[in-house]
Amino acid sequence: DAKTTQPPSMDCAEGRAANLPCNHSTISGNEYVYWYRQIHSQGPQYIIHGLKNNETNEMASLIITEDRKSSTLILPHATLRDTAVYYCAGGGTSYGKLTFGQGTILTVHP
Amino acid sequence: DAGVTQSPTHLIKTRGQQVTLRCSPISGHKSVSWYQQVLGQGPQFIFQYYEKEERGRGNFPDRFSARQFPNYSSELNVNALLLGDSALYLCASSLEPGGGAQETQYFGPGTRLLVL
Repeated sequence: DAKTTQPPSMDCAEGRAANLPCNHSTISGNEYVYWYRQIHSQGPQYIIHGLKNNETNEMASLIITEDRKSSTLILPHATLRDTAVYYCAGGGTSYGKLTFGQGTILTVHP
Repeated sequence: DAGVTQSPTHLIKTRGQQVTLRCSPISGHKSVSWYQQVLGQGPQFIFQYYEKEERGRGNFPDRFSARQFPNYSSELNVNALLLGDSALYLCASSLEPGGGAQETQYFGPGTRLLVL
């Protein structure tokens, strides 16, 4: 199983890029890296996922190192509404287990 | 389109009782997974069901069981409740297992269970 490690908290100024790191050194070759965020104990919201290549969607960009041992989620222009707990998770194999870390509390300041 | 729905939203039980939580997946999704999230921690995998069969099980005791119905909805049952079962129970649905976009799991709002 992919065990993930994230910093417990980070701060970011509104309008600036937020770069959230995740270490997943035990991830196996066929496991994907997923990112979710959770606000006020609601259900986690899907953000983005990747296997080897960098990925970008309307919400964020995902940079995965070549050795796949770590990744960075980039929110290009953080807003106050991006304040949340951000989780990276490994998984997406044939039986669908996602292994979540402890998450990073991102606080976006005005 | 409606997202994943779960019922009830909140539940209070006493130790030793049994509880049933319900989940309806996104239309067209055939796979349902259940997670337990204790306060301050990330979600922990309990089960995955696909096409009414259990495809994966996490490290949870036999007091936890689940099933999936022909319409792909699912129930999670917990027997002989303990105080430590107090948590947010999350249901997630995906198109099918197998990785990548098909496996992307979308979570419901959860059921908050309090065991007294």
